[in-house]
Amino acid sequence: AQSVAQPEDQVNVAEGNPLTVKCTYSVSGNPYLFWYVQYPNRGLQFLLKYITGDNLVKGSYGFEAEFNKSQTSFHLKKPSALVSDSALYFCAVRDMSGNTPLVFGKGTRLSVIA
Amino acid sequence: DSGVTQTPKHLITATGQRVTLRCSPRSGDLSVYWYQQSLDQGLQFLIQYYNGEERAKGNILERFSAQQFPDLHSELNLSSLELGDSALYFCASSVVSQMGTEAFFGQGTRLTVV
Repeated sequence: AQSVAQPEDQVNVAEGNPLTVKCTYSVSGNPYLFWYVQYPNRGLQFLLKYITGDNLVKGSYGFEAEFNKSQTSFHLKKPSALVSDSALYFCAVRDMSGNTPLVFGKGTRLSVIA
Repeated sequence: DSGVTQTPKHLITATGQRVTLRCSPRSGDLSVYWYQQSLDQGLQFLIQYYNGEERAKGNILERFSAQQFPDLHSELNLSSLELGDSALYFCASSVVSQMGTEAFFGQGTRLTVV
């Protein structure tokens, strides 16, 4: 069965500093990997995904993520954090092999301090 | 706006009651997913439908059921409600049920059982 781990419940970063939100995954085959963001009282918004190809994936709002197959990781990054990036971030995985739904991590709350 | 519509936005009901949550997927999306988000459990996959047929089942209780209608809208029925069923229920939709397609989420229905 596939699973996702987000080891940090909370990440605090100063505005203008780079940010990283960590994600590791477990699947039986090759993965499809996704990042979503949730603002208060809102649904999840798609940020970016890794399907195949270049290990560095660029997404919305200046976010990017790096796929590392040997470490089974898919960390979310941004070079310069904004206060408006403060939200709950979810990593998700889907197994390529079958009709499996997205499996989400428990989420990481990012707080960007001015 | 993701294009996925969920109604109602808020629902307050008593223990033992039954409620129905409704989801209209994005135009053209055949696949619908239901998720439950609670503080201690994160985002839990409940059930998936694809073009009217059940495709995958997750941690859905026997008191819960769902269906997808010919017009592709979906309903999640929750019965014999308990206090622990209080949560945010999300519907998501995608074009196809597998491969590297991301799912788009509605804004959720916040269910409070009192």
